[in-house]
Amino acid sequence: DTEVTQTPKHLVMGMTNKKSLKCEQHMGHRAMYWYKQKAKKPPELMFVYSYEKLSINESVPSRFSPECPNSSLLNLHLHALQPEDSALYLCASSQDRHRGAYEQYFGPGTRLTVT
Amino acid sequence: EDKVVQSPLSLVVHEGDTVTLNCSYEVTNFRSLLWYKQEKKAPTFLFMLTSSGIEKKSGRLSSILDKKELFSILNITATQTGDSAVYLCAVLHYGNNRLAFGKGNQVVVIP
Repeated sequence: DTEVTQTPKHLVMGMTNKKSLKCEQHMGHRAMYWYKQKAKKPPELMFVYSYEKLSINESVPSRFSPECPNSSLLNLHLHALQPEDSALYLCASSQDRHRGAYEQYFGPGTRLTVT
Repeated sequence: EDKVVQSPLSLVVHEGDTVTLNCSYEVTNFRSLLWYKQEKKAPTFLFMLTSSGIEKKSGRLSSILDKKELFSILNITATQTGDSAVYLCAVLHYGNNRLAFGKGNQVVVIP
């Protein structure tokens, strides 16, 4: 099973709202990722969690707040977003053993629209 | 700064044609190169290449890596309309989990 699930599939929110995106995997992966993808562009890395600890933050604005409550779950908390934050938000996971090279498996994404 | 350059960016072929997609890279601490296929939603994993000269195959798709010349190719033979997608090349850095993506090769297969 190589499934990563994400909820919701679509989200429309106003600039003053607070919402959360959720991601789940049951493959025993210990690395989880958030990517942002704009139309006709490749995914851009936002955050990486390794063994439930934040290991990479690609200078993402603080209105995006990641959380990894356990090894299977990854959340992205959204607050005071801007219309330019509208995009497809992809979650991914992979194995994470020292110096290993492992493919990342992507979830279906959440299509976010900020109005 | 990492560079992952894919070519051609876009191409249209007829069913049955063979497609060759190119990915060249300049990255620090190269570990592996990955190919993904993206249709309407999430990228789906195709291949991961770590060693030079070893071809990986899956059905009509194959890929190979040249670490001396810093490029990879993805071949699709006997193309079908279901092969229409964006093919993303990404490089994995050694020692961390960072993937650097190219802009993608958009392939359209017409009947």
